[in-house]
Amino acid sequence: DAKTTQPPSMDCAEGRAANLPCNHSTISGNEYVYWYRQIHSQGPQYIIHGLKNNETNEMASLIITEDRKSSTLILPHATLRDTAVYYCIVTNTGGFKTIFGAGTRLFVKA
Amino acid sequence: GAVVSQHPSRVICKSGTSVKIECRSLDFQATTMFWYRQFPKQSLMLMATSNEGSKATYEQGVEKDKFLINHASLTLSTLTVTSAHPEDSSFYICSARPTSNDGYTFGSGTRLTVV
Repeated sequence: DAKTTQPPSMDCAEGRAANLPCNHSTISGNEYVYWYRQIHSQGPQYIIHGLKNNETNEMASLIITEDRKSSTLILPHATLRDTAVYYCIVTNTGGFKTIFGAGTRLFVKA
Repeated sequence: GAVVSQHPSRVICKSGTSVKIECRSLDFQATTMFWYRQFPKQSLMLMATSNEGSKATYEQGVEKDKFLINHASLTLSTLTVTSAHPEDSSFYICSARPTSNDGYTFGSGTRLTVV
């Protein structure tokens, strides 16, 4: 599976959009980009995933660059409850192993 | 959405005893489940892949005789920490997914403290 690079931490003001970047320059053609988050002392939560098209669901939007070497997770209106560690993971659906990197610790501030 | 139930949420045991952690997929069948371990302020580390009806596959460095995994049905996988020691104290988490098109659903985790 391709490796990912994320900033270790980010701040965001409550009510503003949180844009979390992820670099995955070695991604291969059959690999998807998955995002999960982990709130303190809980199990991770699936957010969204995509292959090459931008995706949106009730939680977030995922923007994948045309060359697929990077992506951005967007939380459109961050709340205090969005404070968590966000993990960007690249894997193919058949490979099923989900290997976690260090992630980005997002602090949403009032 | 898919739900994975993990039990117990917290357990304290004495050094040398064994502890069993259960992971259940409540509304779907899971031929494969995964077990992770997480130490404070660290990321999740994949320990093993639990396969229904066959032996688990362990990641490098994980002792299969210490961390016994049983996946006897399509909805239940168990992790038994045998002869637990204080260094085994950690947050253990399982995951599974309904189909290959879904993201993984994680259990709420089990915080094990060995005293």
